[in-house]
Amino acid sequence: QSVLTQPPSVSAAPGQKVTISCSGSSSNIGNNYVSWYQQLPETAPKLLIYDNHERPSGIPDRFSGSKSGTSATLGITGLQTGDEADYYCATWDTSLSIVVFGGGTKLTVL
Amino acid sequence: QVHLVQSGAEVRKPGASVKVSCKASGYTFTYSYMHWVRQAPGQGLEWMGWINPNGGATIYAQRFQGRVTMTRDTSINTAHMELSRLTSDDTAVYYCATGEVPAAIQYNFWGQGTLVTVSS
Repeated sequence: QSVLTQPPSVSAAPGQKVTISCSGSSSNIGNNYVSWYQQLPETAPKLLIYDNHERPSGIPDRFSGSKSGTSATLGITGLQTGDEADYYCATWDTSLSIVVFGGGTKLTVL
Repeated sequence: QVHLVQSGAEVRKPGASVKVSCKASGYTFTYSYMHWVRQAPGQGLEWMGWINPNGGATIYAQRFQGRVTMTRDTSINTAHMELSRLTSDDTAVYYCATGEVPAAIQYNFWGQGTLVTVSS
């Protein structure tokens, strides 16, 4: 059972928009920065968003992040088949003194 | 260009130990913490701990306390993660990861992963 709760799966058609939620508490998301990762099959994760909403260089602006209270959201617009992957949120948990990841969300582009 | 290159796949028997290496290049090794994250087959990501290459201080997730040891060798820009008393539940891909900000939970760079299989 993950400390951060993500939907197991989301799906949408090519060209559409999808959002992935990440729900936590005041000990993690509520008081720490959130980052998001994309993991394509059989590859290492890749940083998509850090500091809640910042994109590393090279990440297209189709990917966006936001945070409100104890929840964070990853948004992906203009969906492409290459976006099919698992997506994870992560942050520091002050009470547990560990990095916590969400359970992951599998994105299917129909 | 930053690269993290990990050691190759390992097979161990239950009760044994395994040591995974992560060689860094393309940045100042002592600048950013090195984290270790594992992923069991078909499962999500699990953080194991970090080491500060500048000085060697470590923080381990409580569930691995007493079984994990993270070290570094600054002369060869390499971090190591050793896990002891292995069980089948430790079968996983182990990743090293680091970022552009020293203590941030922001993994800009990842190793390719090392598969550790624990089987009798």
